[in-house]
Amino acid sequence: EAQVTQNPRYLITVTGKKLTVTCSQNMNHEYMSWYRQDPGLGLRQIYYSMNVEVTDKGDVPEGYKVSRKEKRNFPLILESPSPNQTSLYFCASSLYGRDEQYFGPGTRLTVT
Amino acid sequence: QKEVEQDPGPLSVPEGAIVSLNCTYSNSAFQYFMWYRQYSRKGPELLMYTYSSGNKEDGRFTAQVDKSSKYISLFIRDSQPSDSATYLCAMSAPEYGNKLVFGAGTILRVKS
Repeated sequence: EAQVTQNPRYLITVTGKKLTVTCSQNMNHEYMSWYRQDPGLGLRQIYYSMNVEVTDKGDVPEGYKVSRKEKRNFPLILESPSPNQTSLYFCASSLYGRDEQYFGPGTRLTVT
Repeated sequence: QKEVEQDPGPLSVPEGAIVSLNCTYSNSAFQYFMWYRQYSRKGPELLMYTYSSGNKEDGRFTAQVDKSSKYISLFIRDSQPSDSATYLCAMSAPEYGNKLVFGAGTILRVKS
């Protein structure tokens, strides 16, 4: 089954404690991206990757890091989480970026 | 001003009604237009995809793009309770690396 998986689905952590949210896709897609979704603001892109070892900033990259060492995986790293990063996070993949994006189930992160 | 404006709703309609959902945008470079549906606690899924101006129909759903007015619409005929979800418009332009820009989403509730 074609899918994007994310782990963990729910995470509660404290300010400053480094965390990683994993994302994996099994569709051999070139393009992967991370979004955060906040009430009234919709989906905002954090980072995206056009291919292995190629990443670029989206609209709200501050406080986040990514890496793309393999085509299927695109982890999101918060090195020093802060409460304003409390949000719902989605990973997505697609062939080209402007075509259909397949979204993961989401990770709800709470930073206290 | 946001690049893409979308009324957040909620929009509440009786079962069987015709629903009209809309987005306006400011960037004339956008060429690819999409509608995503997001059920509660799920990731968005692509509903309709159109290129440039015109109409596209798929079952009970019709997407319209009016580039001259910078206005896109999604019509749902014979709405069902299962259509209750958040509907997000999204658009992209090749000049911007095919990055998707999302509206904030409209919450739709179809009452039986």
